[in-house]
Amino acid sequence: NAGVMQNPRHLVRRRGQEARLRCSPMKGHSHVYWYRQLPEEGLKFMVYLQKENIIDESGMPKERFSAEFPKEGPSILRIQQVVRGDSAAYFCASSMDSGGLLYGYTFGSGTRLTVV
Amino acid sequence: QKEVEQDPGPLSVPEGAIVSLNCTYSNSAFQYFMWYRQYSRKGPELLMYTYSSGNKEDGRFTAQVDKSSKYISLFIRDSQPSDSATYLCAMSGDSGGYNKLIFGAGTRLAVHP
Repeated sequence: NAGVMQNPRHLVRRRGQEARLRCSPMKGHSHVYWYRQLPEEGLKFMVYLQKENIIDESGMPKERFSAEFPKEGPSILRIQQVVRGDSAAYFCASSMDSGGLLYGYTFGSGTRLTVV
Repeated sequence: QKEVEQDPGPLSVPEGAIVSLNCTYSNSAFQYFMWYRQYSRKGPELLMYTYSSGNKEDGRFTAQVDKSSKYISLFIRDSQPSDSATYLCAMSGDSGGYNKLIFGAGTRLAVHP
């Protein structure tokens, strides 16, 4: 049973380009969470999605960032017109239902975005 | 003031030592308290989970929660070099039927042989 799969593991983008980060949740999990980790900092919540729905995007910047979790396929975190400050590790977690903490989040290994 | 405060360390101890890691928080609505371990270039993995106040033990690890003081601790007994990692505390209230974790900055631990 594969865990949460994130790809790519490393992504380098020039300023102004678009970054697309993918997250495939664990089998049977329909709830996905995205977190961002800046160097020497803890993880910061960005967005919580269920299949085809955004439940909470309160941690996501209003501009340039968007997320989706379609009926089929992985969840996508999209960052348009990237800037150097977007350089960070982006982690995805999944859970079986909305009581995610009762069973524990399972995190992926992350995508490390570097903007040059 | 951050909602969750955690000393970033680094903390360096000899093998076999007892390690104490701590976090303080300001939001009295937090009810769920977790400790994650994160190895370099990896995702966080859940170590301990506690609901409300009290102690929980799992092998060499003990988690304590003191809600009256807004203070949580993780103790590692007989520490091993393989315990060298960053330890993140995380917590959450019960908001809207789902769980949004608030993380501390993480404490880097090095256990040397």
